[in-house]
Amino acid sequence: NAGVTQTPKFQVLKTGQSMTLQCAQDMNHNSMYWYRQDPGMGLRLIYYSASEGTTDKGEVPNGYNVSRLNKREFSLRLESAAPSQTSVYFCASRRTGANEQFFGPGTRLTVL
Amino acid sequence: KQEVTQIPAALSVPEGENLVLNCSFTDSAIYNLQWFRQDPGKGLTSLLLIQSSQREQTSGRLNASLDKSSGRSTLYIAASQPGDSATYLCAVRGSQTGANNLFFGTGTRLTVIP
Repeated sequence: NAGVTQTPKFQVLKTGQSMTLQCAQDMNHNSMYWYRQDPGMGLRLIYYSASEGTTDKGEVPNGYNVSRLNKREFSLRLESAAPSQTSVYFCASRRTGANEQFFGPGTRLTVL
Repeated sequence: KQEVTQIPAALSVPEGENLVLNCSFTDSAIYNLQWFRQDPGKGLTSLLLIQSSQREQTSGRLNASLDKSSGRSTLYIAASQPGDSATYLCAVRGSQTGANNLFFGTGTRLTVIP
């Protein structure tokens, strides 16, 4: 059981470039989440998916898109990266009816 | 909007000392509160989860308490060890339906000195 996996671990982009952050979970969880973590701030929710085929905005969705490809995978796309998107991105998942969220190891993204 | 605050931001203690980390939240209508541990460059590991109807939870040397009415939680670590050195995050889940997402504090960075 790998839990929640994220790729890549590190990425450096130039302003205006695009990229997709990948997340997968093997726990058969319905709900998946993308958070960002910035210095001096708590983790903030970007987007979430309550089930396969549904996605909804969180607290800070601007500049991002998501895709719930199937039950296992939830990707986060930056169409035109900006320096303000330099952050550590965490994916999490949760079983419906359960309380606990399980987190991946994170992707550290730098936008120059 | 729920605001979660953790004090202190950083704490250094000698090995063997008992310590308390604090977490406060502005909206007492929470569903549960969770304490996480985050090691440098790593993801979050859940330590304890307290439901809104509970007063405390214990796991080994860790004890978390919740006073929902006053918007406070504490994480007590007994007989601290160097391996406890990490950042500890507090997060609350709101009681509303919908995202069921967590609102996080900024964390307390703990260093246990051998």
